[in-house]
Amino acid sequence: SQQGEEDPQALSIQEGENATMNCSYKTSINNLQWYRQNSGRGLVHLILIRSNEREKHSGRLRVTLDTSKKSSSLLITASRAADTASYFCATAFNSKLTFGKGITLSVRP
Amino acid sequence: DAGITQSPRHKVTETGTPVTLRCHQTENHRYMYWYRQDPGHGLRLIHYSYGVKDTDKGEVSDGYSVSRSKTEDFLLTLESATSSQTSVYFCAISEEAGKGYTFGSGTRLTVV
Repeated sequence: SQQGEEDPQALSIQEGENATMNCSYKTSINNLQWYRQNSGRGLVHLILIRSNEREKHSGRLRVTLDTSKKSSSLLITASRAADTASYFCATAFNSKLTFGKGITLSVRP
Repeated sequence: DAGITQSPRHKVTETGTPVTLRCHQTENHRYMYWYRQDPGHGLRLIHYSYGVKDTDKGEVSDGYSVSRSKTEDFLLTLESATSSQTSVYFCAISEEAGKGYTFGSGTRLTVV
């Protein structure tokens, strides 16, 4: 399985701080994606980084990808209470996405 | 979520009964997926479709079947529900293979 594994499993920070989440995977990928899930809701696509890209930005999100280490990180800057959610990395290969188990982020007001 | 709806949102059924979950999209996307989400397992792919009447198995397909007779609908059927199929089921759509998915709001299924 090329399921991504996120680290840490849970993260608690103060509002305004930065949150860094990591994802490791095992096999080749076409791209890697990050999703957010609020409690009781479906997943929402945040950002996609292709295998030939090293860094990508979207608003307060910064994603890096190191294919030699088979790892990615998601940085959320200046976190807000509304960022409280579960975050999943997903690896894309052969038309399918394989998801990790997720990271629970709590942002304290 | 805009463009994709799942029905029902909640269902309680008895062991051994057949159950069908429906995913409907208005985006005309080619790819449709069924995942289940369980604590400690994340999301696992059950079946997916890459076109009308074109489907393939995912990693946890045993006990499930799917059908896609038209672009907008993707049905997931539990032939004979078991307690291990108690889960939250998510449908997702994608315009192209490997692109970002749009997820439905999920169906919470309880098998008693």
